[in-house]
Amino acid sequence: AQSVAQPEDQVNVAEGNPLTVKCTYSVSGNPYLFWYVQYPNRGLQFLLKYITGDNLVKGSYGFEAEFNKSQTSFHLKKPSALVSDSALYFCAVRDPSGAGSYQLTFGKGTKLSVIP
Amino acid sequence: DAMVIQNPRYQVTQFGKPVTLSCSQTLNHNVMYWYQQKSSQAPKLLFHYYDKDFNNEADTPDNFQSRRPNTSFCFLDIRSPGLGDAAMYLCATSRLAGGPGLGQETQYFGPGTRLLVL
Repeated sequence: AQSVAQPEDQVNVAEGNPLTVKCTYSVSGNPYLFWYVQYPNRGLQFLLKYITGDNLVKGSYGFEAEFNKSQTSFHLKKPSALVSDSALYFCAVRDPSGAGSYQLTFGKGTKLSVIP
Repeated sequence: DAMVIQNPRYQVTQFGKPVTLSCSQTLNHNVMYWYQQKSSQAPKLLFHYYDKDFNNEADTPDNFQSRRPNTSFCFLDIRSPGLGDAAMYLCATSRLAGGPGLGQETQYFGPGTRLLVL
């Protein structure tokens, strides 16, 4: 079974400082990993994904994420936070080797607050 | 712009009164999903259509049904809404190519419909 954990319910960061939102996963095979962002009363917006290749993935709005197989992590990062980055962030995993390999499993979400 | 559209954005219904939520897409994707998201929780997959093939998650209540009359549209029917069904309902789509690329596809979400049950 596949699962994903976001250990922090909330992350606070000052505007202009680097931000990190943590994600760890558990799959039986090689994972496909995704990050989505959700603004209040809106759907999820795709930020980036890791499939294979370079462990550092760059995505939308200046976000990037680093895949670390030994630590089973896929942390989301941004060098300089903006107030407009304040939102709910979801990490998701898919195990392509498992039954129902189309299914995306989401973490509980991390609320990011960027303080002016 | 290609997109996923959900109507209405807000829906108020009465306890036990059937309600239908609508999703349409201009992405020409072959897979459409319905998720339920309760406050401050992760989206939970209810079911999905792969073309016309309906796939229900094992723990989705019978109260929830879905229809996909064509590639572009998908409906979520709640036959007898209870107070516990109040949530945000998210529609998503993806293009499933199959073969070695299976699982790599991105799901694209609509803005959601917030359902309130009185």
